[in-house]
Amino acid sequence: DGGITQSPKYLFRKEGQNVTLSCEQNLNHDAMYWYRQDPGQGLRLIYYSQIVNDFQKGDIAEGYSVSREKKESFPLTVTSAQKNPTAFYLCASSMWGGDLEQYFGPGTRLTVT
Amino acid sequence: LAKTTQPISMDSYEGQEVNITCSHNNIATNDYITWYQQFPSQGPRFIIQGYKTKVTNEVASLFIPADRKSSTLSLPRVSLSDTAVYYCLVGGPPSNFGNEKLTFGTGTRLTIIP
Repeated sequence: DGGITQSPKYLFRKEGQNVTLSCEQNLNHDAMYWYRQDPGQGLRLIYYSQIVNDFQKGDIAEGYSVSREKKESFPLTVTSAQKNPTAFYLCASSMWGGDLEQYFGPGTRLTVT
Repeated sequence: LAKTTQPISMDSYEGQEVNITCSHNNIATNDYITWYQQFPSQGPRFIIQGYKTKVTNEVASLFIPADRKSSTLSLPRVSLSDTAVYYCLVGGPPSNFGNEKLTFGTGTRLTIIP
């Protein structure tokens, strides 16, 4: 059963703490993406990776970091430098970088207080 | 990524055909048109993609006029479960991906009325 998994579904953290969101895919896709969605808004690109050991900043990368050590995994760390970290985070993958046919995970809702 | 314009919201009754139009005046020669559906608290789901004329799958049809400056997503005989936000994206093929940024706008909020 192929797809993308994100964990956990809900995450609560205190302000000032770093937190890492997990994203795993078994679709054998080369490209992976992280998006942020705020209430009533569209998705904004945080980081993307077209291939293992390579990643690029998206439109709102400040306060976030990623790694791509394995093709299947693309974890996102929300650092204490991110001013407004509370949001819905979505991970996606596609066969190639920039392919608009993307497959999304179920998302992680992060709440920072 | 070509800028797109969609209606903010639409209402329709169950059983009707719904057409959502997206304007993309600056579409480039190599750009494709892609539509997604998103339910609350879920990730978007790919619906359909096309380049020109008409594309149909088991879920929807996509109509693209000759000038490709707009496109229309058509949902046949909608049901309550089609209530969702629909996003239109326009962008180039994988080989052109470099500094392009993938940004979903606010989309069209479709509400199906019983």
